[in-house]
Amino acid sequence: QKEVEQDPGPLSVPEGAIVSLNCTYSNSAFQYFMWYRQYSRKGPELLMYTYSSGNKEDGRFTAQVDKSSKYISLFIRDSQPSDSATYLCAMSDRGSTLGRLYFGRGTQLTVWP
Amino acid sequence: KAGVTQTPRYLIKTRGQQVTLSCSPISGHRSVSWYQQTPGQGLQFLFEYFSETQRNKGNFPGRFSGRQFSNSRSEMNVSTLELGDSALYLCASSLGGAPPQETQYFGPGTRLLVL
Repeated sequence: QKEVEQDPGPLSVPEGAIVSLNCTYSNSAFQYFMWYRQYSRKGPELLMYTYSSGNKEDGRFTAQVDKSSKYISLFIRDSQPSDSATYLCAMSDRGSTLGRLYFGRGTQLTVWP
Repeated sequence: KAGVTQTPRYLIKTRGQQVTLSCSPISGHRSVSWYQQTPGQGLQFLFEYFSETQRNKGNFPGRFSGRQFSNSRSEMNVSTLELGDSALYLCASSLGGAPPQETQYFGPGTRLLVL
């Protein structure tokens, strides 16, 4: 079992839809959580980070962390065709694994006009 | 501020050869991490360097090695290439401290094809 599980999709939604992306994890030591967006043939781009349970909002994006359930989510409101990309969750435990992020496999999202 | 740069962007090698990839971090960043990305395995951690010292290493064979220079630039080397080494190699830089300073910013990657 991988330490971070993420449904690879693909996920296809119409423009304007609310998108929900999710990851589960098994290591209770994880305390720092990130979402990256990766366009085709590009490197991952940091979207959001958080290190506490609860919600964090940035524009159309909301990151949610539930440490008791070991579950994180990313919500995209009013989705746009430009949001079409692969979304990767990542996390770290800040203990002996400094500099190492554990990634989900990524969810491929397509937003059609 | 310039982002993370990686060279070369594309590379074609044959089995048995060796390859060296280069990464220049964001100015002021002292930590560089390397990852291998493949469709089957996703992003897997190779190693991390901070102030010229390897602090952490993933579960890859000894054919994969790296180093970091005093200006924080980093290189990774893969010797005796195998077909399975074909992948996108990503480096990420960070300040290397406590969150959010350890937030990693990725370069565009080097796409390696082994024939």
